[in-house]
Amino acid sequence: EAGVTQSPTHLIKTRGQQATLRCSPISGHTSVYWYQQALGLGLQFLLWYDEGEERNRGNFPPRFSGRQFPNYSSELNVNALELEDSALYLCASSWVQNTEAFFGQGTRLTVV
Amino acid sequence: KNEVEQSPQNLTAQEGEFITINCSYSVGISALHWLQQHPGGGIVSLFMLSSGKKKHGRLIATINIQEKHSSLHITASHPRDSAVYICAVKLGSARQLTFGSGTQLTVLP
Repeated sequence: EAGVTQSPTHLIKTRGQQATLRCSPISGHTSVYWYQQALGLGLQFLLWYDEGEERNRGNFPPRFSGRQFPNYSSELNVNALELEDSALYLCASSWVQNTEAFFGQGTRLTVV
Repeated sequence: KNEVEQSPQNLTAQEGEFITINCSYSVGISALHWLQQHPGGGIVSLFMLSSGKKKHGRLIATINIQEKHSSLHITASHPRDSAVYICAVKLGSARQLTFGSGTQLTVLP
């Protein structure tokens, strides 16, 4: 069974541009979570999608947004990129409350 | 004060040693996860706990709900155990995880 897949693995963008990151959850998982791990910082919660709706967001500005598609895959968009957006972005999926979370390998975004 | 505190931040051990990593949290939780992150960045879920104790191979995780504390133990440590170990909790009724700062474990041959 395929795990959580993220693409691209690496992404280099220029300050001010937009970045789009993609995540495919494990088959049958309806919830997708996005987390940011900036250099030297711990993992921070970004966004949670479930059944196509945004259910919760962390303490991030509105230029971080996303969506979940009918097949439960998800997209994270970061507009007006800033240097401090350089980080590892991890996607996780789960099925129902209090089940194990499965993580993708992450997308390393570098803003130059 | 962080809602999830991990200790130690860094840990160096000799191969074969017994290792303990601790995690404390400040409010009620619905679940606690222990995660492993290798240098490439990918994260593997080791355990999910809501009570008691779980064992998988050389890894043991325990949780004390009353004391708001969990421990991850590694018996007979091996250099391939070298990684960052992260404690993460679901606070209250939240669905997303809140993470500790991680413990960098290095096991020397």
